[in-house]
Amino acid sequence: KNQVEQSPQSLIILEGKNCTLQCNYTVSPFSNLRWYKQDTGRGPVSLTIMTFSENTKSNGRYTATLDADTKQSSLHITASQLSDSASYICVVISYQAGTALIFGKGTTLSVSS
Amino acid sequence: NAGVTQTPKFQVLKTGQSMTLQCAQDMNHNSMYWYRQDPGMGLRLIYYSASEGTTDKGEVPNGYNVSRLNKREFSLRLESAAPSQTSVYFCASSARDLYEQYFGPGTRLTVT
Repeated sequence: KNQVEQSPQSLIILEGKNCTLQCNYTVSPFSNLRWYKQDTGRGPVSLTIMTFSENTKSNGRYTATLDADTKQSSLHITASQLSDSASYICVVISYQAGTALIFGKGTTLSVSS
Repeated sequence: NAGVTQTPKFQVLKTGQSMTLQCAQDMNHNSMYWYRQDPGMGLRLIYYSASEGTTDKGEVPNGYNVSRLNKREFSLRLESAAPSQTSVYFCASSARDLYEQYFGPGTRLTVT
């Protein structure tokens, strides 16, 4: 069964600290993996898109990694800010018939001062 | 550019009532999608339209219908609302099917 599992479910960190969010997937065949940020009461916004051949991709203080062999991805946030408080959603895309976008349940990050 | 817009932002319905959620995009995208998001669950695809004139069922289509009115607009209709349809509904669009998606602000629907 195609699944995307994210951990931890929630995380609290102090402003200025770094953190890493995990995404494990069992989706096959794999096309690409995306990380979205969803602020409370808003729609998700794309952070990164990674294809099979990409290991690392950065977007400002956000760095995503992908290990297609172990089917794991991580999102690293550097020098966290209060505005990073949000839900982070991992999505795996599989180009095959039927449902091709598999969403994780998200990790809720709270950054406190 | 407004991106993806949704109306209404909030709605309360009684069981059995009907309503249509509206979605429009101004990015000239070919593909549009409707999702629902419930607490503790990931976004789930209700219906999508890969291109103007086509619609397909997603993961949870029961109780919903859609209309791709034109390239810009994609509506979601609840014919007879049920409490299980209480959720936040998101519309999204992408240049082509499965390309990067842009989401609207959501509609919060409560069915009593």
